[in-house]
Amino acid sequence: EPEVTQTPSHQVTQMGQEVILRCVPISNHLYFYWYRQILGQKVEFLVSFYNNEISEKSEIFDDQFSVERPDGSNFTLKIRSTKLEDSAMYFCASGASGGQETQYFGPGTRLLVL
Amino acid sequence: AQKITQTQPGMFVQEKEAVTLDCTYDTSDPSYGLFWYKQPSSGEMIFLIYQGSYDQQNATEGRYSLNFQKARKSANLVISASQLGDSAMYFCAMLGSLYSGGGADGLTFGKGTHLIIQP
Repeated sequence: EPEVTQTPSHQVTQMGQEVILRCVPISNHLYFYWYRQILGQKVEFLVSFYNNEISEKSEIFDDQFSVERPDGSNFTLKIRSTKLEDSAMYFCASGASGGQETQYFGPGTRLLVL
Repeated sequence: AQKITQTQPGMFVQEKEAVTLDCTYDTSDPSYGLFWYKQPSSGEMIFLIYQGSYDQQNATEGRYSLNFQKARKSANLVISASQLGDSAMYFCAMLGSLYSGGGADGLTFGKGTHLIIQP
């Protein structure tokens, strides 16, 4: 069964450093998403991506975040200058369409900023 | 704005009993979708079940069913014959503007219910 994959599973970084989180969505899906979950809290939407551009973004997705689909298979989230409060689990998700189709989540990347 | 409320932070249930996890929602969208996800201690998010706002029947997927009461804006998850492996966090989520076209909306999640199945 096809699944969303994410690398790395864990990442530790120093405050102020740049990180890139990688995702490989399900191959025939067209819509891609990033969410985050701060420890013990609910999952929060960051951004959605369709047709090589951002479709929707939340207030959390400020100028220090960017997304890219560099090669037709990978979907990346870059945090330019990490802050302590960026420590969270980051989930990538993909969906066949942006409507009522289910979004399938990857296993997540746990980011710890020291 | 959309909002999901899960009022049960934690629940203890005996194995083999049925369990109902509550979810109420608030939205001004005329069409929307409701989802339940399971998050075991390993952290991944597993899709369980989906209900569209215009679906005539309540959704069912194996031991999972969704008790959808549109007038009350509730979408409770029912797990029949609970198993030890059902112990996990359960999140209710909503997707609005299903038929607005074009946009890829993000899901709005509730805070979750931590379900523990006891032998």
